[in-house]
Amino acid sequence: DVKVTQSSRYLVKRTGEKVFLECVQDMDHENMFWYRQDPGLGLRLIYFSYDVKMKEKGDIPEGYSVSREKKERFSLILESASTNQTSMYLCASTLGQGNEQFFGPGTRLTVL
Amino acid sequence: QKEVEQNSGPLSVPEGAIASLNCTYSDRVSQSFFWYRQYSGKSPELIMSIYSNGDKEDGRFTAQLNKASQYVSLLIRDSQPSDSATYLCAVKSKSTFGDGTTLTVKP
Repeated sequence: DVKVTQSSRYLVKRTGEKVFLECVQDMDHENMFWYRQDPGLGLRLIYFSYDVKMKEKGDIPEGYSVSREKKERFSLILESASTNQTSMYLCASTLGQGNEQFFGPGTRLTVL
Repeated sequence: QKEVEQNSGPLSVPEGAIASLNCTYSDRVSQSFFWYRQYSGKSPELIMSIYSNGDKEDGRFTAQLNKASQYVSLLIRDSQPSDSATYLCAVKSKSTFGDGTTLTVKP
């Protein structure tokens, strides 16, 4: 079974803090994605990566950056957390661009 | 216009009925289409994928794709209370998801 894990299920941070969300997949998938999910707004793509050290902006990259130093790990960074970044963050991976995505359990981030 | 639009919910059906979920998309070059189910508080999980025009059946689930009309649908036959969830339509060309339709199956 494909397994995608995320470093935390719940996280509480203060405004202005630097926040790291980690995602690891164990199936040698090429592609990894970060989404945020908010009520009424659905799943929105923040960043994705097709290879190590490669990254592409999604629909809402502002306020976020990412890092992919190893194939299995994709990190989302909030350089200076703000209250409007309070959300559920979902990581996903896929073998190829036309394939299904496997999701991690999600991290519910609250920024106070 | 959103790239992927799903029929507005919530949708409520009695147990044993057919639930019909619809999705339209704007990108004509899209080749891969997926339906995910998301239970409350959980992450999405794949239930159906479809790549060619026509119907694809898997147990009680049938996905239908019409590329000319740019729509994809999901039918759930003999709906069960355990089918109560939010269903997300995904168009893979840009990893774009619809907002989801929340289905409630009443016993």
